[in-house]
Amino acid sequence: SQKIEQNSEALNIQEGKTATLTCNYTNYSPAYLQWYRQDPGRGPVFLLLIRENEKEKRKERLKVTFDTTLKQSLFHITASQPADSATYLCALTYSSASKIIFGSGTRLSIRP
Amino acid sequence: DAGVIQSPRHEVTEMGQEVTLRCKPISGHDYLFWYRQTMMRGLELLIYFNNNVPIDDSGMPEDRFSAKMPNASFSTLKIQPSEPRDSAVYFCASSRGTSGKQFFGPGTRLTVL
Repeated sequence: SQKIEQNSEALNIQEGKTATLTCNYTNYSPAYLQWYRQDPGRGPVFLLLIRENEKEKRKERLKVTFDTTLKQSLFHITASQPADSATYLCALTYSSASKIIFGSGTRLSIRP
Repeated sequence: DAGVIQSPRHEVTEMGQEVTLRCKPISGHDYLFWYRQTMMRGLELLIYFNNNVPIDDSGMPEDRFSAKMPNASFSTLKIQPSEPRDSAVYFCASSRGTSGKQFFGPGTRLTVL
């Protein structure tokens, strides 16, 4: 079965630096790879979606890359701020349906 | 737009009781998803509907769990009888088409004593 692995350890970054989160998957490539943000006590919030034929996607300070050879996506937050502290979830969607598989998430802390 | 609405936000019940969780998806969305989140297992898809029809319920843990979507604006997830291991946060999400982008509700925190 398909597995998704994200940084299991929490990531602590100094404010202003670039935070980089990793999402690795096994087996076949998804049609879409997505990143969500989740704050404590709230539901996940969609951030970015990248398709398998796209290499990179940007939105403001966020950048996502998708390497189907490495079976990996990287999620970057540039000029990080304490308000970026949250858990970030990677999710895969396959073309056959809208079924989505989530990774376990990486907790990111940005210290002032 | 009010977003996805879930009720109740918190539910505390005793083992053996029936629990019903409710969800109102975003108007115009044709997909609805039910998830369960725990520290140990993360976010798990339980079941999803397309145009009110259940498409995949392979994530439903056992027969104690059932879900219905009687119309486009309402869905329920029922647990009968509830057990302590069902304690978790249950999320409902909806999406339009197969874009993959999902909108989550605030969740229902269920505690079964």
